[in-house]
Amino acid sequence: EAGVAQSPRYKIIEKRQSVAFWCNPISGHATLYWYQQILGQGPKLLIQFQNNGVVDDSQLPKDRFSAERLKGVDSTLKIQPAKLEDSAVYLCASSSGTSAQFFGPGTRLTVL
Amino acid sequence: AQSVTQPDIHITVSEGASLELRCNYSYGATPYLFWYVQSPGQGLQLLLKYFSGDTLVQGIKGFEAEFKRSQSSFNLRKPSVHWSDAAEYFCAVGLYGGATNKLIFGTGTLLAVQP
Repeated sequence: EAGVAQSPRYKIIEKRQSVAFWCNPISGHATLYWYQQILGQGPKLLIQFQNNGVVDDSQLPKDRFSAERLKGVDSTLKIQPAKLEDSAVYLCASSSGTSAQFFGPGTRLTVL
Repeated sequence: AQSVTQPDIHITVSEGASLELRCNYSYGATPYLFWYVQSPGQGLQLLLKYFSGDTLVQGIKGFEAEFKRSQSSFNLRKPSVHWSDAAEYFCAVGLYGGATNKLIFGTGTLLAVQP
C-alpha cells in the first residue's frame, strides 16, 4: 500500500514570496490533515478536511495561508505572502474514520 | 485545555540498554493515545496506539507502552535499544469528537544511542 506522498521535499524562498505544497493521501482515506512543525516543537494542526469539506481550520492563519481539496483526494496548501516565521516542516497526514493518522515525509520550507 | 508533556527533551542510552520515554497528558475524557517516531528528514511513523481495552499495548520495532489513567501517563518502553532507534519520539493525544480527529503532540524526546 502506497503511503502519503508530498512534494516538493524542500523549498527555499524569500519573504513575501508565495509557495505551494502538494499532498496525495493514502488511497481510500477520506480525512486529510496539514500540520506545521517548527524546529524543536511537535506538529501543530493547521487544517483538517473530510472528503472535500473543511472540518477544522481554527489554527490556520487565514490572512496568508489557504488550502483546498477540490476533488476529495489530493490537496494543496499555499502561503502568500510568506514570512520568516513560516520556516518549518509542513506535514500532510491522512486517516480512515477514527483510525490512526499516517504521515507523509513532509516539506521543509526555509524563508529567507 | 488538552495538552501533552514530554519532560525529557534529550535522552542518551547505551546500545542494548532498556529505554523508557515519559509522556503525561491532560484530557478530560478517555484519551486516544499515540507514539510516533521521526528520523532525521523523515515524516512521523506510527509506533503504537491506545484506543481502549488492554492498557499495555504492543507496537512495531519491539516497543510497548502502558496507559495509566491514575497517573495520566502513557510511557513508551523498549527492553533493549538498537542503534537504529536513534530518532525523535513524539507522544500525542487524539481529540475525537464528531468529524474532528485532532492530534495534540508533545514537544518530543530526542533519543541518542551510544555504541
